[in-house]
Amino acid sequence: DVVMTQSPLSLPVTLGQPASISCRSSQSLVHSDGNTYLNWVQQRPGQSPRRLIYKVSNRDSGVPDRFSGTGSGTDFTLKISRVEAEDVGVYYCLQGTHWPRTFGQGTKVEIK
Amino acid sequence: EVQLVESGGDLVQPGRSLRLSCTGSGFTFGDYSMSWVRQAPGKGLEWVGLIRSRAYGGTTEYAASVKGRFTISRDDSRSIAYLQMNSLKTEDTAVYSCMRESGGYWGQGTLVTVSS
Repeated sequence: DVVMTQSPLSLPVTLGQPASISCRSSQSLVHSDGNTYLNWVQQRPGQSPRRLIYKVSNRDSGVPDRFSGTGSGTDFTLKISRVEAEDVGVYYCLQGTHWPRTFGQGTKVEIK
Repeated sequence: EVQLVESGGDLVQPGRSLRLSCTGSGFTFGDYSMSWVRQAPGKGLEWVGLIRSRAYGGTTEYAASVKGRFTISRDDSRSIAYLQMNSLKTEDTAVYSCMRESGGYWGQGTLVTVSS
């Protein structure tokens, strides 16, 4: 199975400041069709997960533009340009290139 | 509006079986692959399995932790995906959610507790 490794696992941030989460995969996530199926998922406290980003850098509908995804191959990053209170929660990367799908361990974002 | 609603969660004894349902609305259910994901109490997300749409053969994929015990099926006429869970173990205790990969839609989840 592809192992997804996130860092850091805990991220205290100051409101209005940027935040960055890294996700590394044990194998390249480039699919044979040329796409890279790396997603970012947000789970706010007490809520169901919500996908934010798909195929590395594409924001889902309704996702604020302060969220951005970058990366390629095995190395990916989720950035929040200016953290807001509603961004508190756990963020997971999820690879959709290989079977079985696998999630990262999650990164808990909290306000300092 | 796309909606996914899970049902069927319950308290069951180890070794018993349980079937969960995921009912979709607001889209043509049969056109999409559907996944199941679970989250044990206080833990992270774990992908369980997927069933492809009929156009892609309706075939399934599973995580190693459930392969041979869990079976995913679908009834497109009723817009439902099922997760049949057999030989349940205490470590299967989790909130189970369904997900439509295309569009990234998730349901609210249903709690399965496996305990004697």
